[in-house]
Amino acid sequence: NAGVTQTPKFQVLKTGQSMTLQCAQDMNHEYMSWYRQDPGMGLRLIHYSVGAGITDQGEVPNGYNVSRSTTEDFPLRLLSAAPSQTSVYFCASSYSLGGTRRGYTFGSGTRLTVV
Amino acid sequence: QQPVQSPQAVILREGEDAVINCSSSKALYSVHWYRQKHGEAPVFLMILLKGGEQKGHEKISASFNEKKQQSSLYLTASQLSYSGTYFCGTGYSSNTGKLIFGQGTTLQVKP
Repeated sequence: NAGVTQTPKFQVLKTGQSMTLQCAQDMNHEYMSWYRQDPGMGLRLIHYSVGAGITDQGEVPNGYNVSRSTTEDFPLRLLSAAPSQTSVYFCASSYSLGGTRRGYTFGSGTRLTVV
Repeated sequence: QQPVQSPQAVILREGEDAVINCSSSKALYSVHWYRQKHGEAPVFLMILLKGGEQKGHEKISASFNEKKQQSSLYLTASQLSYSGTYFCGTGYSSNTGKLIFGQGTTLQVKP
């Protein structure tokens, strides 16, 4: 099992450019989420999904889109990059046991810099 | 809605104990605890569910006080490997995909 795979690991964008951060998991987990991490701010939820075809907004969704066409993949799209989106982005997945979502497995992260 | 962690930072000597608290203003169903080392991804430690249970993981254990909407993480006889940032994540229903994290508590264990 590869777990949760994020690509790319590093990216530099110019203001106004768009891009997609990729996230794939091979554990057949139904729950997937995207977080951003900024110094002193902890992990903030961007978007999440409870299964293929179902997505919802988290705490800081503006400027980002997601889709979940398969169980395995959960890409995050930056529509028009801004310097405020400079951050480390983590994708995470989890499963349900006994009707309750269990702990998340995190990917290794994508370090994004917008100049 | 973000849970509040305290303290923000702790410095310990090896062998000392620490407690990290996580409080919510909203009724909790579950509390997750994670540890993150510098430059790495967070790693899941344990989950506590509504019901006030206490769980253990070697010398790291946690409790969940449903009445106070609060969880505490206990690190006993700390080791150098315990250093890192600890996050609590809060869930408000059984099968929600929404897990909201606190701002983190940085723990440094010195020899």
